[in-house]
Amino acid sequence: GEEVAQTPKHLVRGEGQKAKLYCAPIKGHSYVFWYQQVLKNEFKFLISFQNENVFDETGMPKERFSAKCLPNSPCSLEIQATKLEDSAVYFCASADLSGNSPLHFGNGTRLTVT
Amino acid sequence: DQQVKQNSPSLSVQEGRISILNCDYTNSMFDYFLWYKKYPAEGPTFLISISSIKDKNEDGRFTVFLNKSAKHLSLHIVPSQPGDSAVYFCAASDDKIIFGKGTRLHILP
Repeated sequence: GEEVAQTPKHLVRGEGQKAKLYCAPIKGHSYVFWYQQVLKNEFKFLISFQNENVFDETGMPKERFSAKCLPNSPCSLEIQATKLEDSAVYFCASADLSGNSPLHFGNGTRLTVT
Repeated sequence: DQQVKQNSPSLSVQEGRISILNCDYTNSMFDYFLWYKKYPAEGPTFLISISSIKDKNEDGRFTVFLNKSAKHLSLHIVPSQPGDSAVYFCAASDDKIIFGKGTRLHILP
């Protein structure tokens, strides 16, 4: 498609439950990025993919967070055993090149952990 | 430690005047810089970018200036319009894109 599509828009989970977020990048874009925005402040980089391969995962918490981009499927970000501090808006973005290429963002998934 | 800093959390400008948003960075390896605009409940929208080999890039009402020696960039919007009211994020790239905390711009009628 012409836009980055993120689902769901809102997700509410009880502490300890699993959360799974989805992202369909723009067709033809090889790179997918996940960012976490807490309390309308800075965007924290989590992970990026080049096609189905992890490109950079330096921002991913070591525990509980995982992500995949499989062929012919939306990319996903999964949080096992959610904690209150995971409450944030999670943005996915795609780009046709790494480095000197603007990212195109989806509208985000707002995760609320109660 | 923040690599991309936007020191003004908010800015108010009269409609029709020039809006100047500032951004400083610390990492000299950054070679590509971008500005994004964000409305509530939406993702950031790409506005304009500049490569480190340039010092100015213009697109309509938007101009980005880069001063590499000062590690500083700025976004000029002229003339400012009501629809420009939004949060503006400065970003810099050395393979992954790092964002500043944003500046909320209010255009006053």
